[in-house]
Amino acid sequence: DAGVIQSPRHEVTEMGQEVTLRCKPISGHNSLFWYRQTMMRGLELLIYFNNNVPIDDSGMPEDRFSAKMPNASFSTLKIQPSEPRDSAVYFCASSPIRGYSNQPQHFGDGTRLSIL
Amino acid sequence: AQKVTQAQTEISVVEKEDVTLDCVYETRDTTYYLFWYKQPPSGELVFLIRRNSFDEQNEISGRYSWNFQKSTSSFNFTITASQVVDSAVYFCALFSGGYNKLIFGAGTRLAVHP
Repeated sequence: DAGVIQSPRHEVTEMGQEVTLRCKPISGHNSLFWYRQTMMRGLELLIYFNNNVPIDDSGMPEDRFSAKMPNASFSTLKIQPSEPRDSAVYFCASSPIRGYSNQPQHFGDGTRLSIL
Repeated sequence: AQKVTQAQTEISVVEKEDVTLDCVYETRDTTYYLFWYKQPPSGELVFLIRRNSFDEQNEISGRYSWNFQKSTSSFNFTITASQVVDSAVYFCALFSGGYNKLIFGAGTRLAVHP
């Protein structure tokens, strides 16, 4: 079975550019999560969706970040404009039950983002 | 407050040694779930185990075992006869419904040397 698929795997871009990260959750999973991993702050939850609806975006660092889930099989995380401090690994995860509940989240391989 | 503490930042062992990774958590909820994830050098996060707060039975899976003790709010992970392939960063995480978020510890980097 296919796992969570993220693209691109690596992104290098210049400060000020728009960055779009993509995620395809596991089929049948109805919760989707975006995380950011940095050395300084570890793994942080940015936002999560249940049934395509954003439930908690309190982890989104600022207005430059936005996330959408137009359907059950696709989500995007956009940064506009990007800044060097946004450099991190961004993970997408999905789980099969509404909210976290007691089911494990399955993670994609991550997108390593570097803003120059 | 919800918190997960992995006090060991880095551990270095020689192959075939046993190693225990510590995890201490804080929560006021009576229902919660604990997880361990592995992040190998390739970077992906791999789910290892889930344990709910009502199940204090220890679990063994091959060379891996987990010791859950509510009395000390700990959920420790032991690798028996470690192998080089076990080298990774291991994360302990807590989910409780009150906060509805998965809270990760800072991770423990395990290096297993031949």
